[in-house]
Amino acid sequence: TQLLEQSPQFLSIQEGENLTVYCNSSSVFSSLQWYRQEPGEGPVLLVTVVTGGEVKKLKRLTFQFGDARKDSSLHITAAQPGDTGLYLCAGVWGTSYGKLTFGQGTILTVHP
Amino acid sequence: NAGVTQTPKFRVLKTGQSMTLLCAQDMNHEYMYWYRQDPGMGLRLIHYSVGEGTTAKGEVPDGYNVSRLKKQNFLLGLESAAPSQTSVYFCASILRRDIGRNTEAFFGQGTRLTVV
Repeated sequence: TQLLEQSPQFLSIQEGENLTVYCNSSSVFSSLQWYRQEPGEGPVLLVTVVTGGEVKKLKRLTFQFGDARKDSSLHITAAQPGDTGLYLCAGVWGTSYGKLTFGQGTILTVHP
Repeated sequence: NAGVTQTPKFRVLKTGQSMTLLCAQDMNHEYMYWYRQDPGMGLRLIHYSVGEGTTAKGEVPDGYNVSRLKKQNFLLGLESAAPSQTSVYFCASILRRDIGRNTEAFFGQGTRLTVV
C-alpha cells in the first residue's frame, strides 16, 4: 500500500502570512494532485502535477513536484481568510484506473 | 448540470441496520468511486467501478458492497452497520479518457453517516 504523508495537519496563521504544506512518499507517483475542500462539500481539484521538477502557479498558490516525483509542496503567498479550508494531496500510481491515495489533509485557518 | 449527486446527505443508523447510499452522475463518466473520510486520515477508497456491471475492492472494502447496474449510478450498501462505519462518504467520478495527465475526479457533496 502506497502512503502519502502530509504535513502539517493543522495550520493557523494571520492574514498576509506565507505558508507551505508538504506531501511526501517513499514511492514514485505517476502524478500528484492537490484538492481543496470546504465544510459540507466534496474536494475540488486545484492542480495536477505530472513532470518531475514541475512548478505550477494558481494566483497566490504555487505547487511544486519534486525532481524524483516522490514529494510535492503547496505554497500560499499572502494568505487571506478566503483561503481557509482543508487542503488534500492525492497521488496516482501507474495504471491505477484513477484511484487516488490521499494524504491526511491540512486544515488551514487564516485569521483576519 | 448537476455533476455528482449523493443521497441521502445525512443518516443515523442503529447498529445492525442496513442502508444504501446512492451516487448519480450526469457527466457520462466511466469510472466511479466510493471513499470514506475520517478525521486525520484523509479519504480512503472503499470500492470502485471502471464500467457498468464491473466493481472492484479498494483499500477498505470490508463491511461494504457495491453495485453498478447503470453507467450513471453507483450504489454503496451497508448490510449490517457498525459504529466503526460512522464517517463521511464521498462518491467521485472520472472520465476515462482523462486518466493520466488530465485526471480530474469530480466529487459529490458527501453523506454524513452516524451509526449508534
